[in-house]
Amino acid sequence: NAGVTQTPKFQVLKTGQSMTLQCAQDMNHEYMSWYRQDPGMGLRLIHYSVGAGITDQGEVPNGYNVSRSTTEDFPLRLLSAAPSQTSVYFCASTLTRLSLNTEAFFGQGTRLTVV
Amino acid sequence: DAKTTQPTSMDCAEGRAANLPCNHSTISGNEYVYWYRQIHSQGPQYIIHGLKNNETNEMASLIITEDRKSSTLILPHATLRDTAVYYCIVNPWGGSEKLVFGKGTKLTVNP
Repeated sequence: NAGVTQTPKFQVLKTGQSMTLQCAQDMNHEYMSWYRQDPGMGLRLIHYSVGAGITDQGEVPNGYNVSRSTTEDFPLRLLSAAPSQTSVYFCASTLTRLSLNTEAFFGQGTRLTVV
Repeated sequence: DAKTTQPTSMDCAEGRAANLPCNHSTISGNEYVYWYRQIHSQGPQYIIHGLKNNETNEMASLIITEDRKSSTLILPHATLRDTAVYYCIVNPWGGSEKLVFGKGTKLTVNP
């Protein structure tokens, strides 16, 4: 059971480049989300999805796009990277938002540097 | 969502119990108390959660006061690998769109 898998672990981008951060879970979880973590800022929600085909914005969605074509995958796209997007990105999943057991599983993170 | 207050940092000797407090005085009746931790450079890890009864699992114990305004996470025999930032958060019944992580408590376990 792999849990939540994020790729890549590290990435350096030049300003203006685009890339996709991958997130996959093998637990048949309905709910998936992306957070970014900056020093002294804690975890901030970027986008989330309550099921395949359904996505919504979190606290800091600007500059990021998501899609959820399958239950397993929830990629995060940076269309035109900016230095302000330098951060550590975490993907998380839970069984369902409506479940009593809302334990969240996190991936190991993607460390992104935009120069 | 109820807000939580935790000490910024704590120290604990290896092998001793680590008791991490959390204040959540505005918690609602249907909100669960959750604890997560984040070891340096890793993703947050779920530890335990509870509503009003004390809970125990293989990692820790959770003690919630009768009025539910505060709780304590107990690591019974802390090891060096328990050095991490510990987050206390509250979630309403049925979950929420997001987990609101505050600053947490940086626990340092010393040899």
